[in-house]
Amino acid sequence: EAQVTQNPRYLITVTGKKLTVTCSQNMNHEYMSWYRQDPGLGLRQIYYSMNVEVTDKGDVPEGYKVSRKEKRNFPLILESPSPNQTSLYFCASSLPGSSREQYFGPGTRLTVT
Amino acid sequence: KNQVEQSPQSLIILEGKNCTLQCNYTVSPFSNLRWYKQDTGRGPVSLTIMTFSENTKSNGRYTATLDADTKQSSLHITASQLSDSASYICEYDMRFGAGTRLTVKP
Repeated sequence: EAQVTQNPRYLITVTGKKLTVTCSQNMNHEYMSWYRQDPGLGLRQIYYSMNVEVTDKGDVPEGYKVSRKEKRNFPLILESPSPNQTSLYFCASSLPGSSREQYFGPGTRLTVT
Repeated sequence: KNQVEQSPQSLIILEGKNCTLQCNYTVSPFSNLRWYKQDTGRGPVSLTIMTFSENTKSNGRYTATLDADTKQSSLHITASQLSDSASYICEYDMRFGAGTRLTVKP
């Protein structure tokens, strides 16, 4: 089944404790992206990757890191999480092109206390 | 200010009724507009995509319209079902609206 998977689905952590949210897709998509979704604000792009070893900042990259060592994986790293990073996070993948349909993962709900 | 605005924020309708959701955008004029459905606890799923030259596109009971001159789009849901209860998100040029939360009651 074609899908984007994320782990963990739920995470409660404390300020400053490094964490990684994994994302994997099995559709051989070049483009992958991370978003955060907050009430009243919509999805906002954190980082994106056009292909392996190519990553770039989105609209809200502060406090986040990513890597793209393999085509299928695109982990999101929070080196020192803070409470304002409490949010719902989505990973997405797609083929390249302006009309590309993004396939979203199931989401990771992160709470930082 | 978000460059993609959706209205209403939330909507409650009775099963079987029709409804229309609105999306206004202020970003660059030549891009694609997509509507997503997001069920509670899940990621968004694409419903329709429209290029700037298209006026109407249907996907079953969902019909999207686009007016590139006024930069407005609408999503019309016909004969609503309980399973239509979800958030509906508009995306234009990689900018997402905050969504409309639709609740369909029996």
